[in-house]
Amino acid sequence: GAVVSQHPSRVICKSGTSVKIECRSLDFQATTMFWYRQFPKQSLMLMATSNEGSKATYEQGVEKDKFLINHASLTLSTLTVTSAHPEDSSFYICSARAWGGSQGETQYFGPGTRLLVL
Amino acid sequence: TQLLEQSPQFLSIQEGENLTVYCNSSSVFSSLQWYRQEPGEGPVLLVTVVTGGEVKKLKRLTFQFGDARKDSSLHITAAQPGDTGLYLCAGARAAGNKLTFGGGTRVLVKP
Repeated sequence: GAVVSQHPSRVICKSGTSVKIECRSLDFQATTMFWYRQFPKQSLMLMATSNEGSKATYEQGVEKDKFLINHASLTLSTLTVTSAHPEDSSFYICSARAWGGSQGETQYFGPGTRLLVL
Repeated sequence: TQLLEQSPQFLSIQEGENLTVYCNSSSVFSSLQWYRQEPGEGPVLLVTVVTGGEVKKLKRLTFQFGDARKDSSLHITAAQPGDTGLYLCAGARAAGNKLTFGGGTRVLVKP
């Protein structure tokens, strides 16, 4: 299957700083990538849809100025958590959409980034 | 209320037993995917189903998509401890749409 990477895998930062998370599709091009947030023992919550070359589409309740998304190329999307606070601590996961013939579309997920804000 | 309801939320069984996880909705999906996620990792795709009534097998795992494309099930035969994890179903209402995730089913297989 297709491979999606995330970097960093784990980050600890001080309150008030900004953190950038990268999501890369390694062996395919993705015009659309997605950013999710996952709290312990819960399912994934979609934050935003990242579209290559255009503005991201944010889900209701997600602050676009807080979570900056840039999708500058067909293989890279970045999520920047600005002025991070302890409540932003979470597991952030990206996915990239791929198209596979009879299977239609499939989302492949990155390994996730654990963010801890002190 | 979630668009996709998964049941049960948690399942604890002994090694060798069978289990079934259900994913139900009142909405029709153009495709539905099943993922397994282990702690601290991203979800790993198990299967994609697109045709109503479709049945797919992956070793001891059997996936079924309902005839009306509103529901799906995952059946594991002779479960092993390595099957332990969070199982997630996710559906797209139409091609190109974002995925809607179910609440997840946490499976624990005891040796």
